[in-house]
Amino acid sequence: QSALTQPASVSGSPGQSITISCTGTSVDVGGYNFVSWYQQYPGKAPKLLIYDITYLASGVSSRFSGSKSGNTASLTISGLQADDEADYYCSSYVGITSSVTFGGGTTLTVL
Amino acid sequence: EVQLLDSGGGLVQPGGSLRLSCEASEFTLSTFAMSWVRQAPGKGLEWVSSISGLTGKTAYADSVKGRFTVSRDTSKNTLYLQMSSLRSDDTAVYYCATVLRKDWEPWAPFHYWGQGTLVAVSS
Repeated sequence: QSALTQPASVSGSPGQSITISCTGTSVDVGGYNFVSWYQQYPGKAPKLLIYDITYLASGVSSRFSGSKSGNTASLTISGLQADDEADYYCSSYVGITSSVTFGGGTTLTVL
Repeated sequence: EVQLLDSGGGLVQPGGSLRLSCEASEFTLSTFAMSWVRQAPGKGLEWVSSISGLTGKTAYADSVKGRFTVSRDTSKNTLYLQMSSLRSDDTAVYYCATVLRKDWEPWAPFHYWGQGTLVAVSS
């Protein structure tokens, strides 16, 4: 069981915006601004999208954005495109164990 | 561009051993902290182990502590993960990755990933 909770799936139509949540606790998401988001296509390695809550990784489209409120971080994708269809994972620093933990992943379907 | 090439996976019996490799190109592996992250079939990601670039200090997830050993060969620019006493729940795709920091900082993001190598533990 993953330490961070993500919805199993989300969907949206091309051009729409969607938001994926990542819920933790005060010892991880809520306690630090060290949440990252990764995109993974089937059979491929994860790709860094966002780090430190809001910062875009190099070369990543500005359609991706991140935020945090309390113990929940969120990834928003605006202007959905077909190639956004993938799995998305959040990760967070865990202070009490000085380690990193991931969410269970969210499958995005573009209708 | 940084490239990480994972290899060494395969089928191994429970209790057996296996060594994974991660060869780096366009990137001096010993300069930066390197990590292993795994993904069980159909499951999420799990951090496994890390080694700091300059000091060689290591860190392990509780699930593998005492069974796995991370190391590197600077002359070959290659990272290793020696896995022993393997169990069925170690079955996963193993990725090497780097946080692009000199020391292992668990709050840092994984910027580059290898393509992964599959380890299957089964009798």
